[in-house]
Amino acid sequence: AQSVSQHNHHVILSEAASLELGCNYSYGGTVNLFWYVQYPGQHLQLLLKYFSGDPLVKGIKGFEAEFIKSKFSFNLRKPSVQWSDTAEYFCAVNAGGSYIPTFGRGTSLIVHP
Amino acid sequence: SQTIHQWPATLVQPVGSPLSLECTVEGTSNPNLYWYRQAAGRGLQLLFYSVGIGQISSEVPQNLSASRPQDRQFILSSKKLLLSDSGFYLCAWIVAGGGYTQYFGPGTRLTVL
Repeated sequence: AQSVSQHNHHVILSEAASLELGCNYSYGGTVNLFWYVQYPGQHLQLLLKYFSGDPLVKGIKGFEAEFIKSKFSFNLRKPSVQWSDTAEYFCAVNAGGSYIPTFGRGTSLIVHP
Repeated sequence: SQTIHQWPATLVQPVGSPLSLECTVEGTSNPNLYWYRQAAGRGLQLLFYSVGIGQISSEVPQNLSASRPQDRQFILSSKKLLLSDSGFYLCAWIVAGGGYTQYFGPGTRLTVL
């Protein structure tokens, strides 16, 4: 069975700092990749996704992620974080056309103003 | 537009009591439906999913059960709650054949005392 690893469980940054959250998965075939975000008191929602094409995908609020197939990675980046980016971030993978995603354990991001 | 409702938002129940959490989806038909439990630092644990009325797949053996009596209704139940059932329960859906992005409900915070 596939697994998804998020290496950073808790990240604390100051505003304007750069962000990179790691996500690695274990599946050798075709994958669909997602980052979801859960802001305090809000629904879990899609941040960005990769299905095919350009491996650098851009999402809402200035976030982007790069799919590196050789490294089985889909890291999330933002060049300059804001206080409003404080949230929990989840990486998820659908492998082989399955409708059952596998989620990482999540990363709690706190941005200090 | 599609929306997903969950109720109740919060629930406090004694050990040994029954449970019924309801999830309904509006604005779509024949969705895949999912129940997750979210625990701090442990990500999202898939409990049940359903591809159609009366079709339930269980991912984890436990004290819970699920039912799908109507196309857009998904119910999570227990006959006798345990302390370990406490947690945050999320309902989600995917439009079958419409991609793999999941849409999540607001969740139910269950505390078993």
